[in-house]
Amino acid sequence: DGGITQSPKYLFRKEGQNVTLSCEQNLNHDAMYWYRQDPGQGLRLIYYSQIVNDFQKGDIAEGYSVSREKKESFPLTVTSAQKNPTAFYLCASSARTDSQAQPQHFGDGTRLSIL
Amino acid sequence: DQQVKQNSPSLSVQEGRISILNCDYTNSMFDYFLWYKKYPAEGPTFLISISSIKDKNEDGRFTVFLNKSAKHLSLHIVPSQPGDSAVYFCAASARSGGSNYKLTFGKGTLLTVNP
Repeated sequence: DGGITQSPKYLFRKEGQNVTLSCEQNLNHDAMYWYRQDPGQGLRLIYYSQIVNDFQKGDIAEGYSVSREKKESFPLTVTSAQKNPTAFYLCASSARTDSQAQPQHFGDGTRLSIL
Repeated sequence: DQQVKQNSPSLSVQEGRISILNCDYTNSMFDYFLWYKKYPAEGPTFLISISSIKDKNEDGRFTVFLNKSAKHLSLHIVPSQPGDSAVYFCAASARSGGSNYKLTFGKGTLLTVNP
């Protein structure tokens, strides 16, 4: 089945530690996204990538980093500079188009907590 | 500054009745609107969308209405079923530098359908 796989489902981080969240898709989508969801909040865009080896900052990129070395993969690193990393992280992908937005397909998320 | 607003955090309806979820936006550059459904601990699932050139789009039990002059859209679910109980996110997109589209999400409305 085509889809987006995020791992791990739950992740714990110690203070001052970097952690990397995995996101893999087999939908052959060009564009990939990372969002953060906090309780009672909508999804906020962290980073997005339209094509391999290219990515742009979203609305809340500080304290995060990404890479896009392969079309299928878009890992997110939560660095020690992110002061409030506890949240539910969602990865998404969509087909790239010049005409109009294509629906984004989401993974099931990774819940990150601080020990 | 919240560009997409879902002013009702929750909505409760009886099974078989109509559910109406509302969404307002402020950015006149938005030209495509989407509704997503989200169950706890899962990623959002695309439900239905509408382009700004239309005022209605229907898919089975789900209909989205767009009132551009009022910058308002609504999602109607008829008849409502207990399995529809979830958080519903409204999202909007506008062309954002180049050919891809970013989504701006509302905070969501929790729909509960009572048997």
